[in-house]
Amino acid sequence: GQSLEQPSEVTAVEGAIVQINCTYQTSGFYGLSWYQQHDGGAPTFLSYNALDGLEETGRFSSFLSRSDSYGYLLLQELQMKDSASYFCAVTGGATNKLIFGTGTLLAVQP
Amino acid sequence: DADVTQTPRNRITKTGKRIMLECSQTKGHDRMYWYRQDPGLGLRLIYYSFDVKDINKGEISDGYSVSRQAQAKFSLSLESAIPNQTALYFCATSGAAAGEKLFFGSGTQLSVL
Repeated sequence: GQSLEQPSEVTAVEGAIVQINCTYQTSGFYGLSWYQQHDGGAPTFLSYNALDGLEETGRFSSFLSRSDSYGYLLLQELQMKDSASYFCAVTGGATNKLIFGTGTLLAVQP
Repeated sequence: DADVTQTPRNRITKTGKRIMLECSQTKGHDRMYWYRQDPGLGLRLIYYSFDVKDINKGEISDGYSVSRQAQAKFSLSLESAIPNQTALYFCATSGAAAGEKLFFGSGTQLSVL
């Protein structure tokens, strides 16, 4: 089967940098994705890593280490609007479906 | 117009009733998914379909059924609703390549009394 672990909550201040970690277990790993969900809204795609290393998209970066079954999402120059839940998700298994972690609630304080 | 549309947005029903949640998409994707979200449990996959003739069970398919009526339509049914099926349900679509991002509908909040 597939499973993921990420912290349930993280708190940071505006302007700071925060890292949200994710470890996973799966067979037939294809890649690790990150999604953002604001309260009451639908999840929206942030990033996808299939290869080891860091992918940068503006203030957000995502890292993957396949050998460690580990990845993280790095958010820089935090803004109040970044307060949301962040989900890592792994693509893998025999049918290449996407399985989500339980999510990390990020609270950005002034 | 939204690319992925779910109806209804909210539904309150009683135990034992049959409920259908509908999803339609205009993105032209072959792959469609149904997830449920419960506080603290994240998004769990109920069923998914990779094309019109393909239906697969996800992590928590018991008590649910689906129908892929067309490429653009994927409905989720609860044959006899029970209170622990109270949750937020999301439909999503994606392209076929590994890592293709999912596009989610706005969700259906279902309450079973």
